[in-house]
Amino acid sequence: GAVVSQHPSRVICKSGTSVKIECRSLDFQATTMFWYRQFPKQSLMLMATSNEGSKATYEQGVEKDKFLINHASLTLSTLTVTSAHPEDSSFYICSARDPGGLNEKLFFGSGTQLSVL
Amino acid sequence: KQEVTQIPAALSVPEGENLVLNCSFTDSAIYNLQWFRQDPGKGLTSLLLIQSSQREQTSGRLNASLDKSSGRSTLYIAASQPGDSATYLCALSGNTPLVFGKGTRLSVIA
Repeated sequence: GAVVSQHPSRVICKSGTSVKIECRSLDFQATTMFWYRQFPKQSLMLMATSNEGSKATYEQGVEKDKFLINHASLTLSTLTVTSAHPEDSSFYICSARDPGGLNEKLFFGSGTQLSVL
Repeated sequence: KQEVTQIPAALSVPEGENLVLNCSFTDSAIYNLQWFRQDPGKGLTSLLLIQSSQREQTSGRLNASLDKSSGRSTLYIAASQPGDSATYLCALSGNTPLVFGKGTRLSVIA
């Protein structure tokens, strides 16, 4: 089945640094990828929709200057958390839809646990 | 705005039991509904996807149903095993991107 690879799986950083998370679709081309954030015991919340070759679409309340999204190719989207602070500590997950697959199923990366000290 | 509720929030059952997880939603204008499994600290694995025109889907010991008119979906797990322990999430795709419930945390005790 389709595979989405997300890296790194875990990162610990100091407050004020920037962190980049990569999301790759390994065996299909994804024109659209999605970035989600999950706080403990909460549901996944969509942060932004990443479109290949164009600007990302951010959900209300998500700072686009803080969460930079780049989708430069059909297989790679990156999320950069700029000047991270402890309140940004969360579990970040990307997903991609396989346009050639049945039923438009979404496939998810394994997630990145971000801890900002 | 679509709201998704999952009941119960947590469930603990002995191995071998059949169980049902519930998902309710407020807006019936959906494209499809998916059930996911999430292991601690891991990403999501899609279990079953039901198109809006379908009423149920089956995969192995799992059966998911969809009743749009009542805004409900159920995930039935037969003969539960300790390896089924995880958080189960339902998510709906409609006019907006996927909206997730908070999940049901399942523990199957050997």
